[in-house]
Amino acid sequence: GQQLNQSPQSMFIQEGEDVSMNCTSSSIFNTWLWYKQDPGEGPVLLIALYKAGELTSNGRLTAQFGITRKDSFLNISASIPSDVGIYFCAQGAQKLVFGQGTRLTINP
Amino acid sequence: DGGITQSPKYLFRKEGQNVTLSCEQNLNHDAMYWYRQDPGQGLRLIYYSQIVNDFQKGDIAEGYSVSREKKESFPLTVTSAQKNPTAFYLCASREQGFGNQPQHFGDGTRLSIL
Repeated sequence: GQQLNQSPQSMFIQEGEDVSMNCTSSSIFNTWLWYKQDPGEGPVLLIALYKAGELTSNGRLTAQFGITRKDSFLNISASIPSDVGIYFCAQGAQKLVFGQGTRLTINP
Repeated sequence: DGGITQSPKYLFRKEGQNVTLSCEQNLNHDAMYWYRQDPGQGLRLIYYSQIVNDFQKGDIAEGYSVSREKKESFPLTVTSAQKNPTAFYLCASREQGFGNQPQHFGDGTRLSIL
């Protein structure tokens, strides 16, 4: 079955640093999604990507749908304390497959 | 406010007991989903429904049951057959018919065993 490999599993950074995380897939899909989850809450959609090569921004967040259609990247610029949480990539629409998540911790 | 409401926020189950988790949405979405999340892991699909009175098994449906009698409601029952029910349960919904619309999530129910 389809698998998503998300890396890194965790990141410890200083406030103000840029962050980069990525996902790779064993299958080709038409949609990449990036969600953020705060403790005890549901995931919140950050960015949706629908075309190979697509680069989309949402404030300080930028995500790209890889040309091979098997990978995606999420970058966060100038991190702030409220960026702390777990970031998930996901593929699909009707049935989503999720990566294992990247836990972001920020030292003030 | 439009959104997805899950209740209760916390739920405790005794051995051999069935419990039902509620999920209600007022987004007029056709499709609804239930996921299970274990600590440090991603979400796994339990059941989903694309239309009223119809639903399909996801990847880990054993020990769970659902119903979809109304468009806005998709309750999940965790049965006594589910031997490891302690987890965070998330409900999602999605608008169908307009391309690959993303799923949106509720705030979850945390189920624990007494």
